Amino acid sequence: EVQLVESGGGLVKPGGSLKISCVASGFTFSKFTMNWVRQAPGKGLEWVSTISSSSTYIYYADSLKGRVHISRDNAKNSVYLQIDGLRDDDTAVYYCARAVGSSSADDFWGQGTLVIVSS
Amino acid sequence: DILMTQSPLSLAVTPGEPASISCRSSQSLLQVNGINYLDWYLQKPGKSPQLIIYMGSNRASGVPDRFSGSGSGTDFTLTISRVEAEDVGVYYCMQALRGLTFGGGTKVEIK
Repeated sequence: EVQLVESGGGLVKPGGSLKISCVASGFTFSKFTMNWVRQAPGKGLEWVSTISSSSTYIYYADSLKGRVHISRDNAKNSVYLQIDGLRDDDTAVYYCARAVGSSSADDFWGQGTLVIVSS
Repeated sequence: DILMTQSPLSLAVTPGEPASISCRSSQSLLQVNGINYLDWYLQKPGKSPQLIIYMGSNRASGVPDRFSGSGSGTDFTLTISRVEAEDVGVYYCMQALRGLTFGGGTKVEIK
């Protein structure tokens, strides 16, 4: 069974940093591009970042560029997102997702981890 | 940046009746390879988004054939031929040509 399990969310003060993780199972993780997508409470979906299967290609949303860093460890079947300089509007559920926008039906999303930025 | 505009914002449908959602992109999503880089997602209440249509018109695995996607270039439509109660949620279109951009969403409810 394919699974993506995010962790590391929580309450963070403005200006702080956080690193969230996603562990994959049930598929060959090293073959897939991975993504982070977030959703603020009651709002729509916003793409955050994408990393290719071997980390060769990395892309960030312009709105977050300079504050986020995506990485992966294929040996640990894991992908990570580091967010620095957290602001109130970074409060969101952060979803880890496989192969989003890959022109295939390989798309799969985790359940998300909630990050709350508040003093 | 490619902007995605969906309409309507919300839709109340009688079970068994059809429903259509429109999505317009600020740039053509059709490439020379013939692929429209446009996907449709459904986010059911309290759940993660699930892919229902990819490349404009291809149903994802396990998606009922009452769902269909059409359109090309900048104008796309998601059609549900006969809405069922399990189809409620928010539908998003998403472009995958340059980065990923989602439309604002269309909430589908049952009358």
